[in-house]
Amino acid sequence: RKEVEQDPGPFNVPEGATVAFNCTYSNSASQSFFWYRQDCRKEPKLLMSVYSSGNEDGRVTAQLNRASQYISLLIRDSKLSDSATYLCVVTQGGFKTIFGAGTRLFVKA
Amino acid sequence: DTEVTQTPKHLVMGMTNKKSLKCEQHMGHRAMYWYKQKAKKPPELMFVYSYEKLSINESVPSRFSPECPNSSLLNLHLHALQPEDSALYLCASSQDSGTAEKLFFGSGTQLSVL
Repeated sequence: RKEVEQDPGPFNVPEGATVAFNCTYSNSASQSFFWYRQDCRKEPKLLMSVYSSGNEDGRVTAQLNRASQYISLLIRDSKLSDSATYLCVVTQGGFKTIFGAGTRLFVKA
Repeated sequence: DTEVTQTPKHLVMGMTNKKSLKCEQHMGHRAMYWYKQKAKKPPELMFVYSYEKLSINESVPSRFSPECPNSSLLNLHLHALQPEDSALYLCASSQDSGTAEKLFFGSGTQLSVL
């Protein structure tokens, strides 16, 4: 079983749609959780940190469920510019950072 | 614009060449990382430096040799690489509180080994 698992997609959605990504992690001792966004041929960029209390930034909401060991990302009112790969990232103490395989999103006009 | 600068952006080298990748950050971060990323795959951790000392080596072959001359600079020396080493090499930095924090990535060096 992979340490961090994501549905690779691709997710193809029309503009204005709401899209949800889920990510599961296997190590219950995992400490910190993040979503990164990576555009084609670019570096990953931090989208947001994820907390049990939830984290919202504009159209984007992230949530952590420690009991079920999963992390979610919700994008509302999708824009063409949201098209990218979304990477779930989990840290396990020290500098050990595990990236999920990423979920590709295509938003269509 | 990224605050982590990597040079060169592109590199083509033969299997007998020696080359170096360079990374620089001026955010005062004390942890610096090298990642390797193949097409359509997630980044894979190679090395981590914390306060200029090697903290993690993820069993990387010795043909890759990291160096951290000071808190702002990170190098990756390459020698006798194989074609399968062709990939995007990403440098990242983070605050150092003894654990991985938010990572700031450079734009990467696209390496092709012929």
